[in-house]
Amino acid sequence: QSVLTQPPSVSGAPGQRVTISCAGSSSNIGAGFDVHWYQQLPGTAPKLLIYGNFNRPSGVPDRFSGSKSGTSASLAITGLQAEDEAEYYCQSYDNSLSGLYVFGTGTKVTVL
Amino acid sequence: QVQLQESGPGLVKPSGTLSLTCAVSGASMRSGKWWSWVRQPPGKGLEWIGEIYHSGRTNYNPSLESRVTISGDMSKNQLSLKMTSVTAADTAVYYCASTDEDGSAEYWGQGSLVTVSS
Repeated sequence: QSVLTQPPSVSGAPGQRVTISCAGSSSNIGAGFDVHWYQQLPGTAPKLLIYGNFNRPSGVPDRFSGSKSGTSASLAITGLQAEDEAEYYCQSYDNSLSGLYVFGTGTKVTVL
Repeated sequence: QVQLQESGPGLVKPSGTLSLTCAVSGASMRSGKWWSWVRQPPGKGLEWIGEIYHSGRTNYNPSLESRVTISGDMSKNQLSLKMTSVTAADTAVYYCASTDEDGSAEYWGQGSLVTVSS
């Protein structure tokens, strides 16, 4: 049911920069709805990483940054660390079919 | 610190009703937040189920709306999820979360695995 498409996986060496894309459409990201990002470690609940396209909750390192343009959004991780190895999901609102919140397909980040 | 704790049966028979409760502590459900349910089938992604506001207003995922009811007991500071006519496809970890107006969920429960099987 995911209407937000993410790459299945991205990888990088420690210290490198990786980006995760989130492709949407005119009924969600392109309609101006906010994008949020979550990090999910194995066996744990998702953790809010970015809200409102580019804002970080208290305690989230500034190595994580979000951006949005047109019908897509991106999450960048700079100075990649071993602890960043996790699944990442984007989220937005979709105003088709009576409206609902939608999550991206998820991206596994592997630290080489 | 806001904490959420899901509870309920871990096994439900096909065609039965799934019932979960989420106890909220560290915040009042009457605060200006929405309270949501999200699920995640084993090895798969996240799916938004629905949400409730302290006024009782609810919003549901259209694909689940006919089978789902979210309710809240503000006096007990807890919310509930009921899903009828379940099938194996409803097997998932069910999370409750507190959600801001923009849909971002900062606080999550640890999740409750519900398996639909005879």
